[in-house]
Amino acid sequence: DARVTQTPRHKVTEMGQEVTMRCQPILGHNTVFWYRQTMMQGLELLAYFRNRAPLDDSGMPKDRFSAEMPDATLATLKIQPSEPRDSAVYFCASGRGQGAVGELFFGEGSRLTVL
Amino acid sequence: DAKTTQPPSMDCAEGRAANLPCNHSTISGNEYVYWYRQIHSQGPQYIIHGLKNNETNEMASLIITEDRKSSTLILPHATLRDTAVYYCIVRGIGGATNKLIFGTGTLLAVQP
Repeated sequence: DARVTQTPRHKVTEMGQEVTMRCQPILGHNTVFWYRQTMMQGLELLAYFRNRAPLDDSGMPKDRFSAEMPDATLATLKIQPSEPRDSAVYFCASGRGQGAVGELFFGEGSRLTVL
Repeated sequence: DAKTTQPPSMDCAEGRAANLPCNHSTISGNEYVYWYRQIHSQGPQYIIHGLKNNETNEMASLIITEDRKSSTLILPHATLRDTAVYYCIVRGIGGATNKLIFGTGTLLAVQP
């Protein structure tokens, strides 16, 4: 069963530390999305890639967050330095096609706690 | 992206049909209606999508009004496992409009 794989599933860190979350999209998918979910804000879109190129990262705090796709099988979301307000579940999703009409497949999320 | 309006919560008896409404009065001609759901602690799951015709798959049916300003997701025989937050999303195709923006959704509670 093809699925989006996210690591780590859980991360507890202290304020100021660097955090890197990784996502392996489904093989053959060329669009990747990063979302953040909190109780207060719900699901927020952070960044969106197509064919490894960033198309939209307007939802991402630029001063501390960065998202990249070093290759087609790996997407990363980095927070440096982390802050308690970054505590959330971070979801990665992948899909197929340009301007594709179809479903996005979500990973199980990375739960981040910043103390 | 066009905004959607959904009731914050709904109840449904197990075995009965669950009808979840969504208003999207500002939808434009090339925007699709998508439905996703999120079961507690899991990632969102795609259910169905449509442009203007009614659609059905193994999970649900999607009824879109003729003017496309509203739609209804129908779960024909709800089970306890269908308890989740259901999101109605309007999504364009191509470029930046291809992104999926989630609202607050409807919490469907299926009661035994």
